[in-house]
Amino acid sequence: DTGVSQNPRHKITKRGQNVTFRCDPISEHNRLYWYRQTLGQGPEFLTYFQNEAQLEKSRLLSDRFSAERPKGSFSTLEIQRTEQGDSAMYLCASSLPSGRYANTGELFFGEGSRLTVL
Amino acid sequence: RKEVEQDPGPFNVPEGATVAFNCTYSNSASQSFFWYRQDCRKEPKLLMSVYSSGNEDGRFTAQLNRASQYISLLIRDSKLSDSATYLCVVLSGGYNKLIFGAGTRLAVHP
Repeated sequence: DTGVSQNPRHKITKRGQNVTFRCDPISEHNRLYWYRQTLGQGPEFLTYFQNEAQLEKSRLLSDRFSAERPKGSFSTLEIQRTEQGDSAMYLCASSLPSGRYANTGELFFGEGSRLTVL
Repeated sequence: RKEVEQDPGPFNVPEGATVAFNCTYSNSASQSFFWYRQDCRKEPKLLMSVYSSGNEDGRFTAQLNRASQYISLLIRDSKLSDSATYLCVVLSGGYNKLIFGAGTRLAVHP
């Protein structure tokens, strides 16, 4: 399977614990995005990487959230001191650079990592 | 005010019906527009882009009105397999940042 891969698929944790999610994008995609989706809502943008550089972060991304993409390949999203309001589906997406046989609107999403904070 | 607004539905329609979804966006500088489809408990997938002149892909027609900041999606001859949530999406700012609406749920019944 050469799609975007995320793990773990599900994570249940107690309030106050730290959690980390991993995303492996499609191999030739240099752009990587993290989104968060709650029930009945569309995905909300969290952050964006181009290669290893984190170029944009949403104000939704409080200081408890940190994302990295150390070698420009896989990415991790860590949430420290989780709160019940962090319960959501965390979606990773990747895309080619625009202008290289790419439809600039096409993000390829992984199946997501569902977080439940008790 | 949300940057992209949609009627959440649900739209319950019989097979063969024509159904239309609307969407408005607040940022007049938005550059590109799309419809994504999301099946229950699945990831969103690109359905189609929306061009200024309007565009059609089989049973699906997308329209854009920049003056009114309004986007529409028309589905003709609905199939059971069209049941899903349809997300209106706007490209905002640089870096291909896509802003998603909350989605409109469609249920097609026999």
